Amino acid sequence: AQKITQTQPGMFVQEKEAVTLDCTYDTSDPSYGLFWYKQPSSGEMIFLIYQGSYDQQNATEGRYSLNFQKARKSANLVISASQLGDSAMYFCAMRPYSSASKIIFGSGTRLSIRP
Amino acid sequence: EAQVTQNPRYLITVTGKKLTVTCSQNMNHEYMSWYRQDPGLGLRQIYYSMNVEVTDKGDVPEGYKVSRKEKRNFPLILESPSPNQTSLYFCASSLIGTGEAFFGQGTRLTVV
Repeated sequence: AQKITQTQPGMFVQEKEAVTLDCTYDTSDPSYGLFWYKQPSSGEMIFLIYQGSYDQQNATEGRYSLNFQKARKSANLVISASQLGDSAMYFCAMRPYSSASKIIFGSGTRLSIRP
Repeated sequence: EAQVTQNPRYLITVTGKKLTVTCSQNMNHEYMSWYRQDPGLGLRQIYYSMNVEVTDKGDVPEGYKVSRKEKRNFPLILESPSPNQTSLYFCASSLIGTGEAFFGQGTRLTVV
């Protein structure tokens, strides 16, 4: 079965601290993409970062980095120096090649940044 | 600016009154899709399209129609909306393959 698991329903972090949001995935496809999306309270779905299954290096985009551990099937999102504006729902998602017509989403982690 | 544009952002309607939610992308993407997001159920795919005139059902297509007459547009049609279609709807587009998809701003639909 193709599945994304996010085990942290909610997290509280102090401003300026780094935070890691956990994500594990399950697929038998050798080719797949992994992404993270941010959904603030306003509702839009904002693309943050992408990692391809064949990429040798971990993806980084500004303060976001994706800790990709293929053997463990994990794709954790790391946010460095968190800001108040980072408070939102975060979704891990996957797109296996064999079913690329559908994006598979995790249940999300609600991140709250404390001032 | 590369974007996916949905309209309207908010809509309240009555049961049975046909409505259309529009979606347009300016990135020349082949793939477009509609999702609905409900508390406790996550994001579920309604319909998708891999190219012009090519559409297929997702996981929850009942009560919805789509069309793809042009590459940039992928409207979602509710012929006879019912209260169980009250939801947050997203349109997404991408290139074909395993790459990231870009989402519209969302349409919050309430059917009374």
